Amino acid sequence: QKEVEQDPGPLSVPEGAIVSLNCTYSNSAFQYFMWYRQYSRKGPELLMYTYSSGNKEDGRFTAQVDKSSKYISLFIRDSQPSDSATYLCAMSRSKLSFGAGTTVTVRA
Amino acid sequence: GAVVSQHPSRVICKSGTSVKIECRSLDFQATTMFWYRQFPKKSLMLMATSNEGSKATYEQGVEKDKFLINHASLTLSTLTVTSAHPEDSSFYICSSSGTPYNNEQFFGPGTRLTVL
Repeated sequence: QKEVEQDPGPLSVPEGAIVSLNCTYSNSAFQYFMWYRQYSRKGPELLMYTYSSGNKEDGRFTAQVDKSSKYISLFIRDSQPSDSATYLCAMSRSKLSFGAGTTVTVRA
Repeated sequence: GAVVSQHPSRVICKSGTSVKIECRSLDFQATTMFWYRQFPKKSLMLMATSNEGSKATYEQGVEKDKFLINHASLTLSTLTVTSAHPEDSSFYICSSSGTPYNNEQFFGPGTRLTVL
């Protein structure tokens, strides 16, 4: 079993829809939870960072962490074509463990 | 967020040659730098972790004599792929962590290496 499980998709939504992404993990020692966005042939860009259970909001992005269920989510409201990218969840105690990444396409 | 640069962005080399990739932390002191490898449509695979002034710690299965890592200053780490072969062709990405971003990693734009 992988430490971090993420459905690779692909996920296609119409512009303006809510994008819902999630990951599960098996290592209860993980303390920090992140979501990265990666455009093709580019390095990952940090979107959200949190270390506690609950919700964290930043503009159109909301990150949720449920440590009891070992489940994290990222929601993108009012999605735009520019949100089309691969989204990677990551979590760490001392080093990062990544999910496989979900490829998202927002259709204009 | 912090800014990390990598150079070169793309490199093509002949089999048997060595290639050096630079990773620079532009606006903060990177006490720890990480080197990743990414295959097409795959997630990032951690190769090694380096702390400034110390020897790098390599992940299992990564040859330290083939992938030489130097982290001589708080703003610069280098990865040298020695005696490169076609199977070393990949996307190499560095990330940096340090004050005040001690629990976060900021990634460089990546380097596409093609070995002919």
